[in-house]
Amino acid sequence: DIVMTQSPDSLAVSLGERATINCKSSQSVLYRFNKENYLAWYQQRPGQPPKLLIYWASTRESGVPDRFSGSGSGTDFTLTISSLQAEDVAVYYCQQYYSSWTFGQGTKVEIK
Amino acid sequence: QVHLVESGGGVVQPGGSLRLSCAASGFNFSTYAMHWVRQAPGKGLQWVAFIQYDGSNTNYADSVKGRFTISRDSSKNTLYLQMNSLRPEDTAVYFCAKDRWDGGDFDYWGQGTLVTVSS
Repeated sequence: DIVMTQSPDSLAVSLGERATINCKSSQSVLYRFNKENYLAWYQQRPGQPPKLLIYWASTRESGVPDRFSGSGSGTDFTLTISSLQAEDVAVYYCQQYYSSWTFGQGTKVEIK
Repeated sequence: QVHLVESGGGVVQPGGSLRLSCAASGFNFSTYAMHWVRQAPGKGLQWVAFIQYDGSNTNYADSVKGRFTISRDSSKNTLYLQMNSLRPEDTAVYFCAKDRWDGGDFDYWGQGTLVTVSS
């Protein structure tokens, strides 16, 4: 099984500042034939189901604000919130879908 | 718009059974793979089961293999999860989720249904 490890487990960021979440997979999730990274990011606000933010590591889902961006390839990935808003307080999960499906343990984002 | 509504959760004793349902609407249910994902209280997300768009292929997390069965009825636009031999560690909110294609990310989620396994 591919293990997904996120860092940090939590972070507190001031409103308007940048938040960066890292995700590392235990093996590459880059599929060489189509050169796509099988990596997604989800946001889960308190009491809500998860919401898809990013897929193929860097493609923003329709309707997701452009302050959210994804980057990385192979085994190392990053979710960046360029200017944190109050509504971004949530737990964020990375997920690989290269081989079955596994999630990272989650990163809690709070306001400093 | 896409709508997924889970039902069937509740309290069950260890060793018992429960069947969850997920009613889908707003998309062509018979052409998309579907999943179950669970979240234990205060914990992270755990993928549970996958079913291909036509039901021809299924896949399970090791922790539920042999105890849980995923199925679908396209005539009713409904996804199911039959859970047998339930254990306390199966206590969680169970979400159904739509696959973007047939082995991809999860572009829509239901609100979830709580399953509590306790004596």
